[in-house]
Amino acid sequence: QVQLQESGPGLVKPSETLSLTCAVSGGSITSNNWWSWVRQPPGEGLEWIGEIFRSGGTNYNPSLKNRVTISLDKSNNQFSLRLTSVTAADTAIYYCVRDQDYGGFDYWGQGTLVTVSS
Amino acid sequence: DIVMTQTPLSSPVTLGQPASISCRSSQSLAHSDGNTYLSWLHQRPGQPPRLLIYKISNRFSGVPDRFSGSGAGTDFTLKISRVEAEDVGIYYCMQATQFRTFGQGTKVEIK
Repeated sequence: QVQLQESGPGLVKPSETLSLTCAVSGGSITSNNWWSWVRQPPGEGLEWIGEIFRSGGTNYNPSLKNRVTISLDKSNNQFSLRLTSVTAADTAIYYCVRDQDYGGFDYWGQGTLVTVSS
Repeated sequence: DIVMTQTPLSSPVTLGQPASISCRSSQSLAHSDGNTYLSWLHQRPGQPPRLLIYKISNRFSGVPDRFSGSGAGTDFTLKISRVEAEDVGIYYCMQATQFRTFGQGTKVEIK
């Protein structure tokens, strides 16, 4: 059974960079899947941030593209998210997700709350 | 960008009765590869979403057969044939034809 676990700081200051890592177990990060990041502001809906393939190819949400970088760490079977110049609007639960080739998000991490505040 | 619009946003239902949620996309979700990448997810309070349906009508592993999906093009529907207590929560449609976009969510609660 594939499991995903997010980790990273729970508090980030405005204008700084948010960095999270997703550790994948029970499956390989180099399998034929995309790996995505999704976020959810408290009490609100879901927003897709972006995705990465085993080749390192990426796709990003156009609304966040200028601030987002997703990268792959094959040696540690994990992938990461960097979001620059954060504001309070970036406060959210951040989920890492496996993105199947049939267009479904089949495995989710438990999520990690990141608060942007000074 | 493809915009996904769900209706209703809130749905009070009676246990044992059917429920239906609609999802409309701002443009056709038919992909050039012949597939339509529309999925449905369910989120209970305090939990991550879980996949119910993918490619319009395919139930994900372990999903009860009281859940069914239908539709084509820009109009899609999720139906629950007989609502059970564990079905409460928020339901999201999601398109994966062009990047990924979620609907706003529909809250299902028991009357």
